[in-house]
Amino acid sequence: AQSVTQLGSHVSVSEGALVLLRCNYSSSVPPYLFWYVQYPNQGLQLLLKYTSAATLVKGINGFEAEFKKSETSFHLTKPSAHMSDAAEYFCAVSVQAGTALIFGKGTTLSVSS
Amino acid sequence: AAGVIQSPRHLIKEKRETATLKCYPIPRHDTVYWYQQGPGQDPQFLISFYEKMQSDKGSIPDRFSAQQFSDYHSELNMSSLELGDSALYFCASSSGGGTAYEQYFGPGTRLTVT
Repeated sequence: AQSVTQLGSHVSVSEGALVLLRCNYSSSVPPYLFWYVQYPNQGLQLLLKYTSAATLVKGINGFEAEFKKSETSFHLTKPSAHMSDAAEYFCAVSVQAGTALIFGKGTTLSVSS
Repeated sequence: AAGVIQSPRHLIKEKRETATLKCYPIPRHDTVYWYQQGPGQDPQFLISFYEKMQSDKGSIPDRFSAQQFSDYHSELNMSSLELGDSALYFCASSSGGGTAYEQYFGPGTRLTVT
């Protein structure tokens, strides 16, 4: 069975600082990995996805993530945080199209001015 | 671009009542998924449908049922509601059935059971 662990339930950064949100996965088969963002009282928006193509994936809003098989990681980064990046971020894994996404517990990103 | 539509957006029910949540997927998407997100929790998968057939099943209570119709919209029927059913219910859709991995989420229906 597959699972996702997000290290750090809450991350705080200053505006303009590097954002690093950690995600480690466990899967017995090659995984497909995703990062979603959720703003308060809203749905989940797909930030980026890894589906076995390039290991460095670029997403929306300046975010990117790198798939590292040796470390079973898929950490999300952004060079310079904006106030508007404050939200809940979920890492998710799937091993077969058309089936469930398994989510991590989420990381709340706070950005201070 | 068109997104996933869910209705209603908010629903208040009493214990033991029934509720029906509706989901209209992105046009030309043939797969629908339902998730439940409790307060401060991550989304939990309930059930999915591809071409009107159940394609995957998660932790959906027996009190809940769902189906996908010929126009690809889906309904989640919830009976004998309990206080613990209070949550945000998301519908997501994807295209390509067995080939698409990314799911696009709707805004959710917030169900409150009193």
